[in-house]
Parts: sequence; C-alpha cells; structure tokens
Amino acid sequence: ETGVTQTPRHLVMGMTNKKSLKCEQHLGHNAMYWYKQSAKKPLELMFVYNFKEQTENNSVPSRFSPECPNSSHLFLHLHTLQPEDSALYLCASSQDQGGAEKLFFGSGTQLSVL
Amino acid sequence: GQNIDQPTEMTATEGAIVQINCTYQTSGFNGLFWYQQHAGEAPTFLSYNVLDGLEEKGRFSSFLSRSKGYSYLLLKELQMKDSASYLCAVMDSNYQLIWGAGTKLIIKP
Repeated sequence: ETGVTQTPRHLVMGMTNKKSLKCEQHLGHNAMYWYKQSAKKPLELMFVYNFKEQTENNSVPSRFSPECPNSSHLFLHLHTLQPEDSALYLCASSQDQGGAEKLFFGSGTQLSVL
Repeated sequence: GQNIDQPTEMTATEGAIVQINCTYQTSGFNGLFWYQQHAGEAPTFLSYNVLDGLEEKGRFSSFLSRSKGYSYLLLKELQMKDSASYLCAVMDSNYQLIWGAGTKLIIKP
C-alpha cells in the first residue's frame, strides 16, 4: 500500500466543468500539500494544511479551492479552469510543517484542460 | 530573488558515474534535499544535507558546500532504472522549500 494515494491519475476537463482531485495519506502525518508541476518548471507550492488548518495559500487563483476535512484527506476542487492550468498536480504529506521534514508524494493527477 | 539552478538534461552510460550539480541563491539555508522522480511517478526522497561534506548512501552520494551555494548528487555504477528526473530543493530561512526545475537523466546501454 502506497503512503500517499491520489485519484484520479488522469483527468480531462472542459473550461466550464467542475471536478475534484482527491488525496489520501496513510502515514499518520500532520501536514499536507498541493503542488503544481509543469514541464521543465520548478514545483509550485499551492496550498499547505497543518492539522487540518490551511497555513499557506500561495496566491492561487480562486478557481482552485482546497478542502481538508481531516489530517488524512485533502481535496482540490476545480472550476472554470483555463488551458494554462494543464499540469501534473501532486499531493504530498510530511510529519509536521515548519521543520526540515522530507515530503512523501503521491503519483499525481495529470490534468488536461481543453 | 531566490533561485536554484541545475542542468536540464544529462546523458550517461550504464555502469558509469554521473554527477548532477545544483547551485542555489536563497534567503537563508536550512538544508538541501534531492528527490528522484521517474516519469509518471511520485517524487521520492533521496537525501538531505545540512552540513558541509559528503553523505553516502549506497550507490548515491550527495555533497554540500554552503559557502559556495553548491551541491551535487553523485550516482555510481549506473543502472537503466536510474533514468529519471532528479530534483534539487533548498529550505530557506522561513522553512520554505525552493525547488529547481529538475535534471532529466538519460542512461544509455
């Protein structure tokens, strides 16, 4: 069983659709993250949750809406996306936030916006 | 601004040694990470350096020089399965991770 599981693995959506990405971690970690990975670009941190509370929002457009109902689950709700939002969306977790903690990543959702 | 530089792509031969460099300019320093990411898969942790010097872990070693803002990942006895992207990331004074764009390593037989 992998430590961090993301679904779906692939998603194609139109600009008017609403969809959600799901992440679940089985590691007992307290911090969870959403990252955006575009080809040949550095990972972009989008949101951070620590003990279910959002601690960071890196100026992410409101068409991305995170939700963290408990320390094990993280969602990213998507609506009225733009073609430039096409990317790999990675979820990660760490024991805690704020120290030199290594991240455990899921395999990501490859999103294509048409 | 904060910046991490690493080569975009490198090619090496199976059985050989390759060194992937990473240079950084950040606001403070709380450690440097290397992650490996196979195509279509999750990045996985390889190493963490916070003090100067070489850390060896099997076929992989990671080196850090804080005064030079420089690190490298050394891979020995290359295997085909080492074909992947290698991501360098520095933790700044606010414990924010600053990422490089990654180095795609291609191993040829």
